[in-house]
Formats: sequence, structure tokens, C-alpha cells
Amino acid sequence: KAGVTQTPRYLIKTRGQQVTLSCSPISGHRSVSWYQQTPGQGLQFLFEYFSETQRNKGNFPGRFSGRQFSNSRSEMNVSTLELGDSALYLCASSLEPSGGISYNEQFFGPGTRLTVL
Amino acid sequence: SQKIEQNSEALNIQEGKTATLTCNYTNYSPAYLQWYRQDPGRGPVFLLLIRENEKEKRKERLKVTFDTTLKQSLFHITASQPADSATYLCALPGPGANNLFFGTGTRLTVIP
Repeated sequence: KAGVTQTPRYLIKTRGQQVTLSCSPISGHRSVSWYQQTPGQGLQFLFEYFSETQRNKGNFPGRFSGRQFSNSRSEMNVSTLELGDSALYLCASSLEPSGGISYNEQFFGPGTRLTVL
Repeated sequence: SQKIEQNSEALNIQEGKTATLTCNYTNYSPAYLQWYRQDPGRGPVFLLLIRENEKEKRKERLKVTFDTTLKQSLFHITASQPADSATYLCALPGPGANNLFFGTGTRLTVIP
């Protein structure tokens, strides 16, 4: 079974531009979460989608948005890029969402390395 | 939100020794805690999950403990090998939410 795939793997943008990142979950997985990883802040939760609905959102500005399609593929968009948005953006998929005491293992993709100049 | 601290940014040990990594959290007690391994340029890979009613969990050379009184988890790698060199992250679920809070990680280097 193919793992989580993310495209593109590397991206260079300039301040003020916008960017769209794509994530294809493992076949059969319906929950997709996005994380931002930086050396200073570590891994931080951005948002989570299940059945095309955003179920949770982390503490990020409205410039960060996402969506999920009927085939569970997901995209995230960052508008008006800032230098501080340079990071590794990771997508993780699971069969179902976890919550409370319920756990569903999340499988991470390789990430998209975004550099903002 | 949850604050998670991992004891050190980097840990160097000799091959064959036991590596012990610490994860401390504040605020609420989670229903479970997870440990991940991350290699450079790759996404985290799930290693072990331990639930709040479990004191210890083992998987091959890995052992995790979970002390909800101390709000601490210990992650041990016995008979460490150079291939174990990686960054290890602990993660806890948010309260009733489907998101994970991650520690900043400990970069382990096993010296041959």
C-alpha cells in the first residue's frame, strides 16, 4: 500500500506570494491533518479534515487555510507569504479521526519544504 | 493547550548502551502518549503508544513508561545501535480534539 504522498517536495517563493500544497492520504484513510515544523517551534498542528469538513484548527492566522476533496485528498494554502512561513509542512493521514480516548494511528508524509525569500 | 518538554535537545551515547529520553507535560493528563522517530528530511514515524492506565509498554528494544502522577514519560532504547540515531518526539492528544501536541524532540546520536 502506498504511503502518504505530498507534492511538491520543495518550493521556493517570495514574500507576498501564495502557495498551495497537496497531500494524498493512504488509500482508505479519510482523516488528514496538517502540521508545520520549524527549528524554533517544532511540530505544530495546523488543521484537520475529515469527510471534507474541517474538524479542528490550530493557532495559526487566517492566511493558512485548507480543504479536503471527496477522494480524501487535501490541499493547504498559505496566502501573503511571510519569511516566518519557511518551514517543513507535514501531512498525516489516519483511517478515522482520533479524539478523547479513541486513537487512530497517524501516518506522516515526507513533507514539503517551503522556503520564503 | 498542552506544554511538552523533552529533557534535552541532543543526547550522545555509546553503542550498546541504553538511551533514556524524557518527556514531561503540564496541564491536563492525556488519555495516551505517543513516541515518534524522525529522520532528517522525512516525516515522523510512529513507534509506540501507551495509555494512561498502562505503566509500561515494550516493543523489541524499545520500552516506554508513563507516570501520570509525575506527568512524565520515559523512552528507553536498549542495546543501542548507530541506526537508532534520529530525533525522537513525544506527542500527546489535545483535550477532546483530533490533533497532536508534539515536544521539540531529542536528537539521539549513537556513537560506534
